[in-house]
Amino acid sequence: GAGVSQTPSNKVTEKGKYVELRCDPISGHTALYWYRQSLGQGPEFLIYFQGTGAADDSGLPNDRFFAVRPEGSVSTLKIQRTERGDSAVYLCASSLILGVEQFFGPGTRLTVL
Amino acid sequence: GQQVMQIPQYQHVQEGEDFTTYCNSSTTLSNIQWYKQRPGGHPVFLIQLVKSGEVKKQKRLTFQFGEAKKNSSLHITATQTTDVGTYFCAGMLAGTASKLTFGTGTRLQVTL
Repeated sequence: GAGVSQTPSNKVTEKGKYVELRCDPISGHTALYWYRQSLGQGPEFLIYFQGTGAADDSGLPNDRFFAVRPEGSVSTLKIQRTERGDSAVYLCASSLILGVEQFFGPGTRLTVL
Repeated sequence: GQQVMQIPQYQHVQEGEDFTTYCNSSTTLSNIQWYKQRPGGHPVFLIQLVKSGEVKKQKRLTFQFGEAKKNSSLHITATQTTDVGTYFCAGMLAGTASKLTFGTGTRLQVTL
């Protein structure tokens, strides 16, 4: 079956612009997670959803970051007024239920010029 | 906040040598997971440890969870070039539902 997919794979934008990153989890997985990974570092937790609701958004760096999962499947991470420091690989993962193995997507590489 | 550190940061071994990476959390964990990330790839789940003192084996890989549930280790016996990548531990804080804090990672290079 299909794994977690993320689009776009690469996104180059200018400072101050708005971007949306999309994640399609594995079908039937109730939990969905967003991470950010900078070069040479481990994935940094941003937010996770259980169903449609954001169960824990404590990792979002500031109010420029927002994520939704309106129908409990696809999720979109939205970043307003992008800054150069937002440049990183944004990873999405899903799991069948909370607390078990997470399946990661290939990531979206965001570059803010 | 919770911190998860790993040592060493990098290790270069000859094929056939053993390799160990150590993971230490500043707080007690409910469980710990290990992931492998190949260069240019995404993290891939290896194993989850839940019980204090637990030891699990997967072929040449041996995983341990400390008695105090604050540390863990991954040992690879007789490394192969296919073991190349970065190994991350990821801890779930005791009392939390599902938030994982990833360690700093250990990058393994294996040469013939």
